[in-house]
Amino acid sequence: KQEVTQIPAALSVPEGENLVLNCSFTDSAIYNLQWFRQDPGKGLTSLLLIQSSQREQTSGRLNASLDKSSGRSTLYIAASQPGDSATYLCAVGYYGGSQGNLIFGKGTKLSVKP
Amino acid sequence: DAGVTQSPTHLIKTRGQQVTLRCSPKSGHDTVSWYQQALGQGPQFIFQYYEEEERQRGNFPDRFSGHQFPNYSSELNVNALLLGDSALYLCASSYRGREAIETQYFGPGTRLLVL
Repeated sequence: KQEVTQIPAALSVPEGENLVLNCSFTDSAIYNLQWFRQDPGKGLTSLLLIQSSQREQTSGRLNASLDKSSGRSTLYIAASQPGDSATYLCAVGYYGGSQGNLIFGKGTKLSVKP
Repeated sequence: DAGVTQSPTHLIKTRGQQVTLRCSPKSGHDTVSWYQQALGQGPQFIFQYYEEEERQRGNFPDRFSGHQFPNYSSELNVNALLLGDSALYLCASSYRGREAIETQYFGPGTRLLVL
């Protein structure tokens, strides 16, 4: 059974700081990993998708890395802004049967203070 | 492209009632998956529909059922509602294509409150 864990559960930083969110998974047999952003009470916005053959993806101030062998991914946010405040979810694409094809962590709630 | 749409946006029901949620997939997509997200948790997979049939199912009771229509839109039905069914219900669509799994695109969700 695949399990996805995100650390920390919550994070509060001052504006302008660089920060790292962590995601770990128990089964390395994944076909991709995706980072989502979720604003309170809203749906999911896809930020970055890393295929299993890739090591990282970048979009603007965001950089996500993937290390399948160690079962880890990190999301790096540079020069954080108050508008980055949201919950960030990590999800692994997995041929898991009853778990479905996308297994989510519980998320990291980020607060960026002006 | 309208993306994935869901209706209604919010819903209030009482225990024991039945509810139907609706989802229209992104243009060109043929597969619809449903997820339940309780407060403070990550989304949990309910089931997936492709070619009007349930292809995969998560660990949810039979009170949760669904349907996919010929135009690929989908419904999620929940019978005999419990307080614990209160959650955000997310629909995701994808194109099955040659790969068994493709990137899923999520709708804005339906917030269900059971009193």
